[in-house]
Amino acid sequence: AQSVTQPDIHITVSEGASLELRCNYSYGATPYLFWYVQSPGQGLQLLLKYFSGDTLVQGIKGFEAEFKRSQSSFNLRKPSVHWSDAAEYFCAVRNTGFQKLVFGTGTRLLVSP
Amino acid sequence: DVKVTQSSRYLVKRTGEKVFLECVQDMDHENMFWYRQDPGLGLRLIYFSYDVKMKEKGDIPEGYSVSREKKERFSLILESASTNQTSMYLCASSSGTGYGYTFGSGTRLTVV
Repeated sequence: AQSVTQPDIHITVSEGASLELRCNYSYGATPYLFWYVQSPGQGLQLLLKYFSGDTLVQGIKGFEAEFKRSQSSFNLRKPSVHWSDAAEYFCAVRNTGFQKLVFGTGTRLLVSP
Repeated sequence: DVKVTQSSRYLVKRTGEKVFLECVQDMDHENMFWYRQDPGLGLRLIYFSYDVKMKEKGDIPEGYSVSREKKERFSLILESASTNQTSMYLCASSSGTGYGYTFGSGTRLTVV
């Protein structure tokens, strides 16, 4: 069965510093991969997705993610974090035959002044 | 933009009550989903539906049922609410292959 691991429960980054959130997936074939963000008390908003092609994917709010098949990873990055990026981030995987998304347990990002 | 609307943001119910959580989407999406979100556990799929009157069990269907009589509406039913069903419930919809979900804002349910 497919699964997603986000090894970091919390991450604290200084405002203006770079960010990388880790995501590893378990799935036999090439999966569809997603990153979502959830602000406090809100639903989830799609940041970016990867289906095929260029392994570096650009998303909204200045985020990008890189698919590395050899490492089964899909890490999320941002070169300069803003205080408004403080939120919880979820990585998700979907196999190509079905519509179900499997989510990781999330990483809470704290941004310090 | 696609909109997924959950009827209540906050709900407090008593143990043993029958609870209905409503979700409506306005973009003619075929697929709809109910998740519950708990700290440290992420999002877990309760039920989903590929079409009207069709439903499939997710990973944690026990204690829940669903109804999809119209394409735009997907209801989650707690047959007899229990305190361990206190959680944030998120509805989502999607269309076709290759698209991510669109989520509602969630319903925070407290069962006392």
